[in-house]
Amino acid sequence: KAGVTQTPRYLIKTRGQQVTLSCSPISGHRSVSWYQQTPGQGLQFLFEYFSETQRNKGNFPGRFSGRQFSNSRSEMNVSTLELGDSALYLCASSLAGGFTEAFFGQGTRLTVV
Amino acid sequence: TQLLEQSPQFLSIQEGENLTVYCNSSSVFSSLQWYRQEPGEGPVLLVTVVTGGEVKKLKRLTFQFGDARKDSSLHITAAQPGDTGLYLCAGAPTGGGNKLTFGTGTQLKVEL
Repeated sequence: KAGVTQTPRYLIKTRGQQVTLSCSPISGHRSVSWYQQTPGQGLQFLFEYFSETQRNKGNFPGRFSGRQFSNSRSEMNVSTLELGDSALYLCASSLAGGFTEAFFGQGTRLTVV
Repeated sequence: TQLLEQSPQFLSIQEGENLTVYCNSSSVFSSLQWYRQEPGEGPVLLVTVVTGGEVKKLKRLTFQFGDARKDSSLHITAAQPGDTGLYLCAGAPTGGGNKLTFGTGTQLKVEL
């Protein structure tokens, strides 16, 4: 059974640009959550999607957005990149909408220069 | 806002020693998960504890969920270099959903 796949693994972007990250969950999993991990703040919840609807949202500015497709694949977008957006972005896949165990992808390392 | 404090933040020990990592909160969680993360990789789920007072053993690792479901501990017996990594606890909300609150992390290094 394939795990959670995130693409790309690494990205370098310039301040002011936008970026789109992709996440393919484990087959059969319908919930996808996104997290940002930085050395100073640790792992912080961005948002969760279930059945193409955003169910929960963390405390991040509106520059961070996401969506989920009918096949449960998800994308997150960050517009007008800032240096502070440099981080490891992690996607977690869960079976259902109520709490179930979360399985993480390898992450996308975003560097903003 | 739910917060999870882990202690210690850093731990450097010799192979064969025992250690305990603590995860504490003032909030109640429906369940608590423990992860281990290697540099540049995503966290890997080790265990989920659901019931207050629950104890789970995974080879040399023992996990306990507090009676009030506000805290947890991870005990490693006879640590090995392969145990080196960042250990994270994560609490699931009582109201449902998959919004995990992560602990501050414990960086463990086990030396030969």
